[in-house]
Amino acid sequence: EVQLLESGGGLVQPGGSLTISCAASGFTFNSYAMNWVRQAPGKGLEWVSTINYSGDTTYYADSVKGRFTISRDNSKNTVFLQMNNLRVEDTAIYYCAKVHFTSPRTYDSWGQGTPVTVSS
Amino acid sequence: QSALTQPPSASGSPGQSVTISCTGTSNDIGDYNSVSWYQQHPGKAPQLMIYGVTQRPSGVPDRFSGSKSGYTASLTVSGLQAEDEADYYCSSYAGSKSFVVFGGGTKLTVL
Repeated sequence: EVQLLESGGGLVQPGGSLTISCAASGFTFNSYAMNWVRQAPGKGLEWVSTINYSGDTTYYADSVKGRFTISRDNSKNTVFLQMNNLRVEDTAIYYCAKVHFTSPRTYDSWGQGTPVTVSS
Repeated sequence: QSALTQPPSASGSPGQSVTISCTGTSNDIGDYNSVSWYQQHPGKAPQLMIYGVTQRPSGVPDRFSGSKSGYTASLTVSGLQAEDEADYYCSSYAGSKSFVVFGGGTKLTVL
């Protein structure tokens, strides 16, 4: 059974930094791209970032480009999102999501999310 | 404002069918057969219901079906059940620049 467990969320001041993690199990982690998707309070889903299976290719939404960095450690089955220069509008639940085997722009497994609150 | 346009709400009585639309552009839905639909119950993570426009993951009831015409994708839920009451989000691949775009979500109410 696929399991994705996010951690590291919390309260941070505007301009601050935070790194969140997602520990994966139940599948061959180093064969799949991984993603972060966020959901602001009462709002819809927003794709944030994607990293390919090996970690050498990354993609970012324009809203976070230059501030967020996605990375992965395949030896520990973990994907990270380092968030710098955080803004109030980055407040959201951040979900880790695994891509579908045959449809790499589809997310077939999601974690329960970790909340990030940016506030003074 | 979301990249894909969904109606904010939809409703139907138990046993009825309801269709939720998702309208995009030539840069996403119109150019790629990579439309997905996700169901989200309150306080829970999204769950994949449809991918590749029409494909159902294992475990998803065949009451859920997807289609696409031009720039608009649709999710149809047949034989509505109480547990289908949830928020539904569409998504589409939008090329290497925008990557994946989502709709704003549709709250489905089972009357």
